[in-house]
Amino acid sequence: DAEITQSPRHKIIETGRQVTLACHQTWNHNNMFWYRQDLGHGLRLIHYSYGVHDTNKGEVSDGYSVSRSNTEDLPLTLESAASSQTSVYFCASSGSTGVNTEAFFGQGTRLTVV
Amino acid sequence: RKEVEQDPGPFNVPEGATVAFNCTYSNSASQSFFWYRQDCRKEPKLLMSVYSSGNEDGRFTAQLNRASQYISLLIRDSKLSDSATYLCVVNMGGYNKLIFGAGTRLAVHP
Repeated sequence: DAEITQSPRHKIIETGRQVTLACHQTWNHNNMFWYRQDLGHGLRLIHYSYGVHDTNKGEVSDGYSVSRSNTEDLPLTLESAASSQTSVYFCASSGSTGVNTEAFFGQGTRLTVV
Repeated sequence: RKEVEQDPGPFNVPEGATVAFNCTYSNSASQSFFWYRQDCRKEPKLLMSVYSSGNEDGRFTAQLNRASQYISLLIRDSKLSDSATYLCVVNMGGYNKLIFGAGTRLAVHP
């Protein structure tokens, strides 16, 4: 069965360190998204991609970067982690045909910056 | 102003009750609308799409009012298993750029 997986599921890192969160999907979806979820804010869009070599900034992109070298993967990098980036991160993917296409989410990565 | 706004709740209702959630969106060019469900510490999952004419799926009814930029979700005969957070989601157009509301928490009690 097709799926979308995130790794690691939990991570603790020190302030200032770089960390990369992995997202891998086997749906062959063109669209991939990274969200963060914090209490009281819901899911906020960090970065998104509509296909290989395409990346776009979302509403909370500062301090984050992504790259899309193939269809399956959209890794999210925190260049210099800050305590404000402690959050739960969700990756999602969706097909590009039709506006009612369902988005599928990974199980999330809980990141703590200490 | 947030692009998608919801009442955070919580809505505490007894089993069998009918409960309604509302959501407003700011971008009149939004093309499609959804309700997602999220259980505690889990990933969001699609509950239902919202169509212009309104649509029903079992105990769940979704409605859209484009003129007022308003979406609603009605749950009839609430079950304990309906306890979750319900996320209003708007597709801002193009290639499925989904914008989420902060969610409305529902707690159904015996």
